[in-house]
Amino acid sequence: NAGVTQTPKFQVLKTGQSMTLQCAQDMNHEYMSWYRQDPGMGLRLIHYSVGAGITDQGEVPNGYNVSRSTTEDFPLRLLSAAPSQTSVYFCASSGPLGETQYFGPGTRLLVL
Amino acid sequence: AQSVSQHNHHVILSEAASLELGCNYSYGGTVNLFWYVQYPGQHLQLLLKYFSGDPLVKGIKGFEAEFIKSKFSFNLRKPSVQWSDTAEYFCAVKAGNTGKLIFGQGTTLQVKP
Repeated sequence: NAGVTQTPKFQVLKTGQSMTLQCAQDMNHEYMSWYRQDPGMGLRLIHYSVGAGITDQGEVPNGYNVSRSTTEDFPLRLLSAAPSQTSVYFCASSGPLGETQYFGPGTRLLVL
Repeated sequence: AQSVSQHNHHVILSEAASLELGCNYSYGGTVNLFWYVQYPGQHLQLLLKYFSGDPLVKGIKGFEAEFIKSKFSFNLRKPSVQWSDTAEYFCAVKAGNTGKLIFGQGTTLQVKP
């Protein structure tokens, strides 16, 4: 049981490049979400999903896309990276009632 | 809109001192409340949570928190901190059944040996 896994651990991008941050969970959780963590701002919700095929926007969705084709995977896409997207990104999952969320180890992204 | 406010951004304590971190939220309905901890270089871990029942909840490593509904507060306490408690602490609120978790800004705790 690996819990929530994220890849890559660290990534450097140039402005305008695209990339996908991967997130997977093996707990059969319905609810998954993406957060970004910035100093002094806590964690802010980017996008979330309440089940396969269903996604919705969080507090800071601009510049990010998500999809949920399977229960296990919830990738986050940056179509055209900007320096403002330099951050640490955390994926999380929880059971059907959205109770305790379990977090992945994070992806540290630097956009130059 | 729901929001969570943590009053202390940076707290410095000596070992054995008592700790209280403030957390207030804004939402008028049913809430689930959480405190998460992030040790240096690690990901977030659940410290404790409140869903219903006894408003005084106990978590791991000697931490506890009290839910005061009339004050919209969920303060975190520990009677005697240790150097290993140095970390960032986040209060979070889940409102209703949306599953969305809203975090406070975080409090950095530094414990001096």
